[in-house]
Amino acid sequence: GAGVSQSPRYKVAKRGQDVALRCDPISGHVSLFWYQQALGQGPEFLTYFQNEAQLDKSGLPSDRFFAERPEGSVSTLKIQRTQQEDSAVYLCASSVLVGQNTDTQYFGPGTRLTVL
Amino acid sequence: GDSVTQMEGPVTLSEEAFLTINCTYTATGYPSLFWYVQYPGEGLQLLLKATKADDKGSNKGFEATYRKETTSFHLEKGSVQVSDSAVYFCALPTGNQFYFGTGTSLTVIP
Repeated sequence: GAGVSQSPRYKVAKRGQDVALRCDPISGHVSLFWYQQALGQGPEFLTYFQNEAQLDKSGLPSDRFFAERPEGSVSTLKIQRTQQEDSAVYLCASSVLVGQNTDTQYFGPGTRLTVL
Repeated sequence: GDSVTQMEGPVTLSEEAFLTINCTYTATGYPSLFWYVQYPGEGLQLLLKATKADDKGSNKGFEATYRKETTSFHLEKGSVQVSDSAVYFCALPTGNQFYFGTGTSLTVIP
């Protein structure tokens, strides 16, 4: 596709359920990022992949959060035993280059997670 | 550590008014600087960027100049339109991530 896609766009979960959020980056993009955006705030970094390697997971808020990109393309962010504080928009972004701070990150539309 | 500080909103302007949204940064070295825009219900889109000091980024009538002496990257537009209503984020790339400001919500009324 032409851009980054994410699914589902909306997810409602009961507290304690597990959820999986999918990201399809732009074809050929080496780098993939996950961010969490709370209501009224800017996105906050969760984790970073270079191809299939997860090089930085310093932003993951707890061990309930897990991300993977097994073939270096599609990525999945999984949240186990969801809590109400996990309610947010989860954004995925991809970029062509590796480690270049001039490189643009291209964002998907996000998945809005609501935990009841 | 690295960070960006962005002007608080919300901002409400009449159509054709002049817009300034302030952004200052703290960083080691001389990073690139970005402005992203988020329209209602959509993801972030790149608006403009500047890769070195004194560079001016521009797009869709918006401009921002990378000023090292004041560590600023203020966003300006001379005449806003209703279609510019959105949330604007200043962003600083560092390491493996972008640091984003808290966002400034702009509403333009006819």
